Amino acid sequence: EVQLVESGGGLVKPGGSLRVSCAASGFPFNSYTMNWVRQAPGKGLEWVASISSGNAYIYYAASLKGRFTISRDNANNLHLHMISLRGEDTGMYYCVRNSLPRAAPSDSFAYWGQGTLVTVSS
Amino acid sequence: SYVLTQPPSVSVAPGKTARITCGGDNIGSKSVHWYQQKPGQAPVLVVYDDGDRPSGIPERFSDSNSGITATLTINRVEAGDEGDYYCQVWDTNNNHVVFGGGTKLTVL
Repeated sequence: EVQLVESGGGLVKPGGSLRVSCAASGFPFNSYTMNWVRQAPGKGLEWVASISSGNAYIYYAASLKGRFTISRDNANNLHLHMISLRGEDTGMYYCVRNSLPRAAPSDSFAYWGQGTLVTVSS
Repeated sequence: SYVLTQPPSVSVAPGKTARITCGGDNIGSKSVHWYQQKPGQAPVLVVYDDGDRPSGIPERFSDSNSGITATLTINRVEAGDEGDYYCQVWDTNNNHVVFGGGTKLTVL
């Protein structure tokens, strides 16, 4: 069974930094593109970043302006390191797996974690 | 940047057909994916690529895509189909994933 369990969310002050992580299990982690998608309270879905298998490509939403870094490790974890956080970064951060192994970037998002909540406030 | 436009809300009576549109420049040339999100839950993929459905998604869910509009169709709508629906594509020009703004489906 595919499982994606996020952690690391919490309250952080504006200008602060935070790292959220996702523990993946139930599938060959190294074979799949992984993604972060966020959702501000009461708002729609916003793609944040994607990292392919073997780090062949890494893409970020332009709106992040270089403040976020996505990474993956050999222990089946996905990370998102966030700096210079702002109020508009508040939201639920979802860890998401693509549908197919080694798929093109146009692939769909088959599995979603339950999310970790990040709140940026003084 | 590429923009996907969805109506904010759609209402339909039980047993009828709901159609949720997703507009975008030349969207007919792209693979469109659709997600359902119920309150307090993570999104769920309901239709992907050219109308394929993941395991467990009823045949009542289908889509069509041509020109500048993709449409998610839900036949014989049930109360359990209520929720927010999002379309999604890959923007090849900017290497970005793009979501539509979402449509709230209400079953009357």
